[in-house]
Amino acid sequence: DAGVIQSPRHEVTEMGQEVTLRCKPISGHDYLFWYRQTMMRGLELLIYFNNNVPIDDSGMPEDRFSAKMPNASFSTLKIQPSEPRDSAVYFCASSSGTHNQPQHFGDGTRLSIL
Amino acid sequence: AQKVTQAQTEISVVEKEDVTLDCVYETRDTTYYLFWYKQPPSGELVFLIRRNSFDEQNEISGRYSWNFQKSTSSFNFTITASQVVDSAVYFCALSGTNQAGTALIFGKGTTLSVSS
Repeated sequence: DAGVIQSPRHEVTEMGQEVTLRCKPISGHDYLFWYRQTMMRGLELLIYFNNNVPIDDSGMPEDRFSAKMPNASFSTLKIQPSEPRDSAVYFCASSSGTHNQPQHFGDGTRLSIL
Repeated sequence: AQKVTQAQTEISVVEKEDVTLDCVYETRDTTYYLFWYKQPPSGELVFLIRRNSFDEQNEISGRYSWNFQKSTSSFNFTITASQVVDSAVYFCALSGTNQAGTALIFGKGTTLSVSS
């Protein structure tokens, strides 16, 4: 079975540009999570969806960040405008339930803002 | 508030040594779940184990074993006869039972280096 698929794997862009990260969760999973990993802050949750509806976006750092899940098989995380401090690895994860099921992670998108 | 502490930032061992990675958690939930993930140098996050708060039985899977002790709020991970391929960053994580606790709270991770 295919795992969580993220694209692109790497993104390098100049500050001020719009960045869109994409995620395809595992088929049948009804929870989708976006995490960010940095050296300073480690792994932190940005937002999560249940059945395509955003449930908790308290981890989204600023209004420059937005996330959507138009259907059960696709989600985007958008940064506009991007800043150098947004440089990080962004992970998408999905699970088939809440606490009793493990979250399965994609390979991540390594984002560098110059 | 929920918190996961992995006090060991880095551990270096020689192949075939046993190594234990410590994890201490804080939560007010009576029902919660604990996880371990592995992040090899290639960067992906690989799920290793899930444990709920009502199951304190230790678990063994090949060279891996986990010791869960509610009395000390610890969920430690032992690798027996370590191998070079075990070199990775290992994360302990916690999730609670309220809706806001659905997401994983990660520790800072322990970097394990196994040399030959």
